[in-house]
Parts: sequence; structure tokens; C-alpha cells
Amino acid sequence: ETGVTQSPTHLIKTRGQQVTLRCSSQSGHNTVSWYQQALGQGPQFIFQYYREEENGRGNFPPRFSGLQFPNYSSELNVNALELDDSALYLCASSFEGGYTEAFFGQGTRLTVV
Amino acid sequence: AQSVTQLGSHVSVSEGALVLLRCNYSSSVPPYLFWYVQYPNQGLQLLLKYTSAATLVKGINGFEAEFKKSETSFHLTKPSAHMSDAAEYFCAVSDQGSSNTGKLIFGQGTTLQVKP
Repeated sequence: ETGVTQSPTHLIKTRGQQVTLRCSSQSGHNTVSWYQQALGQGPQFIFQYYREEENGRGNFPPRFSGLQFPNYSSELNVNALELDDSALYLCASSFEGGYTEAFFGQGTRLTVV
Repeated sequence: AQSVTQLGSHVSVSEGALVLLRCNYSSSVPPYLFWYVQYPNQGLQLLLKYTSAATLVKGINGFEAEFKKSETSFHLTKPSAHMSDAAEYFCAVSDQGSSNTGKLIFGQGTTLQVKP
């Protein structure tokens, strides 16, 4: 059974640029959720993808977008990067919406300069 | 709306002492509750979860938590702290609202320091 993997682990981008983060879900899971964790804070829900469709969104602007692929892996795209987008981005995979358990990847540390 | 409050952003205990990390939740529906641990530069690891079965939940690494509906609490305890328990701990509630996402709402976290 493979765990949740995220790539890259670290990334430095310039304000205004665009970034794509990737997540491979755990084997057997069809749901991927993305979270943003600012330094010293708890993770904040960005959105969830279930069977390739967006299935709920947190309080994040439209420049945060995502995709889920037929193999249930997922991408998080952020356009027009701002300094406040600097954070640890966590991907969580679960089965059927994940009420009972979500498994997290190690995260991608994004720094915007 | 559901929310989670973790009382105490930093907790310091001596090795071998009792660990108590406090979590209170707000929910209009029966909640699912979770405790996660995060080591530096790592993702989140599930310690334990409450999903409306037994109110006393046992997790990994000797941790347990008790769901108390009357107090809207889900405090995390461990009888004897180890140096390896030093980490950030997050309490979370699952949002079972109309969006049906099962998204997690996290508290601000508690940093546990274990002194030798």
C-alpha cells in the first residue's frame, strides 16, 4: 500500500508567478483534499476533489484552482502568487469524502519572494 | 459553523509526566473528532479519531482521548511523556455540512515540549 506523496517538497517562486503542486493519493482512495498551513497556524481547507469533480471549497480566491485525474492524483494551481501564499501545502487522501479518516502527505513548502 | 479551540499554544512537561492537551469543539451535529501530530517539516499523522462509537478512544503511541458531549471537549492524554512526543498537535472536527465534503476544521495547534 503506497502512501500519499507530494511534489516538489520545496519551492521558491516570485510574486506574480504561477505554481503547480502535485499529489498522488493513497492506493484505493478516490478523494483528495488540499490544505494551506501558514507558519504557526493550523491547516486551512482549500478544496476537495472527489471522482474528478470539485466537491467543496474553502474561503480561497479563484486563483486557487485544482484538478483530479482518472487515477485520482491531483494538482493544485495558484496563479498570480502573493507573498501571503507562502505556506506549507498539504494534500490529504481519503475514501468517499473522508469522514472517517484522511491520510496526509509530507507537504510542499512554498516560499513566495 | 463548526469550530475547534485548543487551549494553550504551548505545553511543557517533564519526561515521564502526564500529557494533557485540551480541545473544545463547536458543532450543531454529532461531530467526528480527530487528533493529528506534526513533526517538524512533516505532514500530519493521525493519532486517533472519534466517530460516535466508544467515547474513550485509544490511539497510537500510547495516546488516548475522551469525548465529552456535555463539555464539548475532546482532550488528548498520555500517562507518561517520552522525549519523542515533542511535536505540534492538532485537534480537528469533520465538517458534515451540506457540502458533504468531510473537510477537516483544525484548531491552532499546541506545541508539546518534553523536558529531560
